[in-house]
Amino acid sequence: DTEVTQTPKHLVMGMTNKKSLKCEQHMGHRAMYWYKQKAKKPPELMFVYSYEKLSINESVPSRFSPECPNSSLLNLHLHALQPEDSALYLCASSIDRVISPLHFGNGTRLTVT
Amino acid sequence: GQQLNQSPQSMFIQEGEDVSMNCTSSSIFNTWLWYKQDPGEGPVLLIALYKAGELTSNGRLTAQFGITRKDSFLNISASIPSDVGIYFCAGQATGNQFYFGTGTSLTVIP
Repeated sequence: DTEVTQTPKHLVMGMTNKKSLKCEQHMGHRAMYWYKQKAKKPPELMFVYSYEKLSINESVPSRFSPECPNSSLLNLHLHALQPEDSALYLCASSIDRVISPLHFGNGTRLTVT
Repeated sequence: GQQLNQSPQSMFIQEGEDVSMNCTSSSIFNTWLWYKQDPGEGPVLLIALYKAGELTSNGRLTAQFGITRKDSFLNISASIPSDVGIYFCAGQATGNQFYFGTGTSLTVIP
């Protein structure tokens, strides 16, 4: 079992919907990440939070809005998505951003119709 | 962003055979990680390497941090059917983001 928990596991949404993805870890990690992964491709970095502050935004469209309410939680708010945004969205955490391996959740499989 | 070259892209092997794959970069990294990903799940960390020349084992898996710090290798000995999946390498320069390899898809034929 992964120590990074993501909900929901699957999500189907229309292009006009607003939804949120949630991620939780209780390992005391202070860096949390959102990745997007297409089938058979490597994960692509979207956002990095370090000590609850956004430190990296990889030029992600504004229809994706991250939020880090506290050191254990990471959300990704979705609005007005496009079908090409359908993918596996992975959350990861690490002790910090310096030298520390990433621990991934099992992802949310998102389908935009 | 930077992408690491991982080879081979795919492998089809008989159960019991050994497997070797590698990952190369044009940049120097201070950390190399190896992950395995099963369909519908997130990547699972297999081995982490922090020092050039380091050789680390995890059961039947052995990984090495290349001396040039621009490459890393993963070997799997005596493969079994549950080794099937996609293997990703990831490299990091200190304080920077992780860059992922293109992946190696492994199929083990019983």
